[in-house]
Amino acid sequence: ETGVTQSPTHLIKTRGQQVTLRCSSQSGHNTVSWYQQALGQGPQFIFQYYREEENGRGNFPPRFSGLQFPNYSSELNVNALELDDSALYLCASSLEPLESYEQYFGPGTRLTVT
Amino acid sequence: GQQVMQIPQYQHVQEGEDFTTYCNSSTTLSNIQWYKQRPGGHPVFLIQLVKSGEVKKQKRLTFQFGEAKKNSSLHITATQTTDVGTYFCAVMNTGFQKLVFGTGTRLLVSP
Repeated sequence: ETGVTQSPTHLIKTRGQQVTLRCSSQSGHNTVSWYQQALGQGPQFIFQYYREEENGRGNFPPRFSGLQFPNYSSELNVNALELDDSALYLCASSLEPLESYEQYFGPGTRLTVT
Repeated sequence: GQQVMQIPQYQHVQEGEDFTTYCNSSTTLSNIQWYKQRPGGHPVFLIQLVKSGEVKKQKRLTFQFGEAKKNSSLHITATQTTDVGTYFCAVMNTGFQKLVFGTGTRLLVSP
């Protein structure tokens, strides 16, 4: 167990809807990163938050947005869902956004868009 | 952007056989990490390699970082059915701790 939790475990949404996924980091971890993993592929970096500010972003459109809260929880919001958004969404937390610090992955939320 | 390729894409072995997956980059890497993802699970950190030519062992797993820091390998000796899963290498993008994952090698072990 990594101490990182995510909710919900599974979710089914319809194209065009909006979704909010939640992550609870390990206590004291100031950094949270979100990844999208499509079936049969490796995780793709969406963005990272450090001390409640966005600290870096991958090649994802603005309809993917996030928030990080002082209590070590965070959210990933996706607007105007598309079929291709169906994937496993993973959050990973670490103490600091530095190479030397290990990232701890949560169990993921599996999103299906129909 | 940075890319890391893994080979093979898939391997099916009999229990007791050895297994190796390779990770290659066209650019020099500052570090490389290895993860294991069981079917239906999430990536689990195995190890990080930083030094040129570094070799690290974890029981039946041996990890190597190439001398030129452009490639890495994971070798499993005498596979067991519990080794089933997809093995990813990942490179940390300096600056904001972005992990770039390789394409993964899916390992199936038959008893």
